[in-house]
Amino acid sequence: KNQVEQSPQSLIILEGKNCTLQCNYTVSPFSNLRWYKQDTGRGPVSLTIMTFSENTKSNGRYTATLDADTKQSSLHITASQLSDSASYICVVSANDMRFGAGTRLTVKP
Amino acid sequence: KAGVTQTPRYLIKTRGQQVTLSCSPISGHRSVSWYQQTPGQGLQFLFEYFSETQRNKGNFPGRFSGRQFSNSRSEMNVSTLELGDSALYLCASSLDRASTDTQYFGPGTRLTVL
Repeated sequence: KNQVEQSPQSLIILEGKNCTLQCNYTVSPFSNLRWYKQDTGRGPVSLTIMTFSENTKSNGRYTATLDADTKQSSLHITASQLSDSASYICVVSANDMRFGAGTRLTVKP
Repeated sequence: KAGVTQTPRYLIKTRGQQVTLSCSPISGHRSVSWYQQTPGQGLQFLFEYFSETQRNKGNFPGRFSGRQFSNSRSEMNVSTLELGDSALYLCASSLDRASTDTQYFGPGTRLTVL
């Protein structure tokens, strides 16, 4: 069983709408939790990185939250744009990096 | 500042052959990590090199190896290629250890094993 589970697997939303992606993990202890955006055919790009003591971190229209008690994180995207269409990957860092399978987001006009 | 570069971008090999992939990190970055990405398994950590020493290794067979040079450039080698090694191999660099610092990924090398 993967120690980092993401949901949903895929999501389709209309341009301008908000959405929230989920990440549940069992990795413990961990040093930080990261969210990456990966466009098709490209390497991932870091969006946010949070230590276990941080609850929220923003990067423009992207806001990540972390609840270390329930071992859950979410990535909220506000006012989506067509360029937000990508895979979003949750990564938990302990001694090594544990990757979620990602959520494939499609933003339609 | 130039980003992480990987060469070659595409590679086709046959079973049993070996392959060497190269990664040039962002100038000043001391950590280089390698990842394998496949549709079925997603992203998986291969290993991390920091200041020419392997600091961490994922759960991959010994056919996968790597090294880092004094200028922080890194190479990854896969020997006795298998069909299942077909994947996108990504390299990422960071100033400090990968587990504590922001990583910057290269565009990847797409390896196809026939």
